[in-house]
Amino acid sequence: QVQLVQSGAEVKKPGASVKVSCKASGYTFTGYYMHWVRQAPGQGLEWMGWINPNSGGTNFAQKFQGRVTMTRDTSISTTYMELSSLRSDDTAVYYCARVGNWNDGADFDYWGQGTLVTVSS
Amino acid sequence: SSELTQDPAVSVALGQTVRITCQGDSLRSYYASWYQQKPGQAPVLVIYGKNNRPSGIPDRFSGSSSGNTASLTITGAQAEDEADYYCNSRDSSGNLVVFGGGTKLTVL
Repeated sequence: QVQLVQSGAEVKKPGASVKVSCKASGYTFTGYYMHWVRQAPGQGLEWMGWINPNSGGTNFAQKFQGRVTMTRDTSISTTYMELSSLRSDDTAVYYCARVGNWNDGADFDYWGQGTLVTVSS
Repeated sequence: SSELTQDPAVSVALGQTVRITCQGDSLRSYYASWYQQKPGQAPVLVIYGKNNRPSGIPDRFSGSSSGNTASLTITGAQAEDEADYYCNSRDSSGNLVVFGGGTKLTVL
């Protein structure tokens, strides 16, 4: 069965960087784009960007351009999301999510369990 | 516009039918997907494409679309359907993704 397992919670100081991992299993890793979505406490879902695990190509929401990096290691079926210059309003749960259909929509059919990143001095 | 707009809150009596809507220009070109999120849990896909349900999603959930508006309908709402519901789709450029602000569904 498809599983996305994320790394554990992180506490960071303002200005630092955080790197969250997402290990995929149960399907062909390079066959599906991986997206990252975050959710601040009590707020809605916010899309951050995607990575093509096959080519390593990426695309990001304008809001995160210059601050976010997404990479992958195909040997261990894992994608990474790194966010730099952290601020207190980056405190959120970060999710990885696989896109099942990209033809006529954006169906996130499997999600990781989420990683809480807390930014506090 | 690359935004998707949802009503913040909707309520429904137990066993009745409720429709949750999502509006945005990109929905003229792309289907919306719908997600259910309960407190402390990751979102779960409930409707995608024209009107498709992933395995395990009850058939009381259905989707439809007209013009720039997509709708999620729950026919015979149950207590366990109380949750936040989000729509998403690709943006008008087709390269990015947008989410609606979410609708909190209360089952009375």
